[in-house]
Amino acid sequence: GAVVSQHPSRVICKSGTSVKIECRSLDFQATTMFWYRQFPKQSLMLMATSNEGSKATYEQGVEKDKFLINHASLTLSTLTVTSAHPEDSSFYICSARDQQGFLGAEAFFGQGTRLTVV
Amino acid sequence: AQSVTQPDIHITVSEGASLELRCNYSYGATPYLFWYVQSPGQGLQLLLKYFSGDTLVQGIKGFEAEFKRSQSSFNLRKPSVHWSDAAEYFCAVGAAGNTDKLIFGTGTRLQVFP
Repeated sequence: GAVVSQHPSRVICKSGTSVKIECRSLDFQATTMFWYRQFPKQSLMLMATSNEGSKATYEQGVEKDKFLINHASLTLSTLTVTSAHPEDSSFYICSARDQQGFLGAEAFFGQGTRLTVV
Repeated sequence: AQSVTQPDIHITVSEGASLELRCNYSYGATPYLFWYVQSPGQGLQLLLKYFSGDTLVQGIKGFEAEFKRSQSSFNLRKPSVHWSDAAEYFCAVGAAGNTDKLIFGTGTRLQVFP
């Protein structure tokens, strides 16, 4: 299957600083990308959806000023956690698909990024 | 609103035994249904999906799932489990919209004993 590469896999940052996570589709054009947050022993919670060249659509309860998403190209999306605090510590996962719809398309997932804010 | 329930948080089976992971969904229309597997250090991998047609769906790694509309279920099965199947399994329902998105269940952790 197609490959989605997510970097870094782990990051530790100090409280108050910002962290950027990259998500790249290596062998296909990702028209649509998704960012999820996964708490221990819990499900993947969708944070936002982005279509290339458009502003991201955030799920209810997700602070768009805190979690900045940029999807400027068909192969790269970034999630920046601004002014990170310990409660932002979590596992962040990106997913990419070459179409906006399900039919005829599969979403591929990155390996995830473990963010720890100290 | 769409939702997915995986009643079993943790399941333990012996290698070679059969497996069934439960999934119940809530969705107003005919759902798109998915099963994913998440292994440590790896991204989620699609095992199988149901959009329409035959309600028994075959997937990769010997897995299958059956869509039962009357029970709002999409249970995952495997006749003989291998130690390498130990992982976290997620059921998901597709929510159609301008951009189709996935709603995940809470996952079932599968442990396999030799």
